[in-house]
Amino acid sequence: GENVEQHPSTLSVQEGDSAVIKCTYSDSASNYFPWYKQELGKRPQLIIDIRSNVGEKKDQRIAVTLNKTAKHFSLHITETQPEDSAVYFCAAESGTYKYIFGTGTRLKVLA
Amino acid sequence: GAVVSQHPSRVICKSGTSVKIECRSLDFQATTMFWYRQFPKKSLMLMATSNEGSKATYEQGVEKDKFLINHASLTLSTLTVTSAHPEDSSFYICSATGTSGSSTDTQYFGPGTRLTVL
Repeated sequence: GENVEQHPSTLSVQEGDSAVIKCTYSDSASNYFPWYKQELGKRPQLIIDIRSNVGEKKDQRIAVTLNKTAKHFSLHITETQPEDSAVYFCAAESGTYKYIFGTGTRLKVLA
Repeated sequence: GAVVSQHPSRVICKSGTSVKIECRSLDFQATTMFWYRQFPKKSLMLMATSNEGSKATYEQGVEKDKFLINHASLTLSTLTVTSAHPEDSSFYICSATGTSGSSTDTQYFGPGTRLTVL
């Protein structure tokens, strides 16, 4: 079955710097890759997603890149702000609408 | 759009009792709903997938007789934790996909239910 690895598990950056979180997946049939942000005790919120027919997608300070050949995708956050501090999860779709989540990255943006 | 609610947000119960958690899609029809369990500082673990009008599909290792799932309508799925024990204490989150948004396979999450079994 699908397996998704995510790293780093924790990441601290200075405010204004960039943050990069990387994920790899195992199922070459996966073709949808969402990223979620979860604040403590709250629901995961979709922040960006990408499909396998696209190599990169950007939404303001957030971008996601996908390398389907290598089976890895990355989240890039530029000009980080304290409110970006949260846990970020990548996921890969495996089977009809079913996601396999990565282990999460705890991002801390230091003011 | 694509709002998912969950009720209750918190529940404390005695060991041996059953607890029902509701998951509703408020502004779209959820053809598929998912139930996850999340331990503190851990990832989301998929428990089961439910489609409206059919039996849920459980992930390996999840006891279907203990975690009863019903998806009776396109806007409501319920998870019943039967004969709850302290080890069932966790954060339970539902998600839904359906006819909303730019992508029909995007999952929208409910706010979660924190279950504490004494």
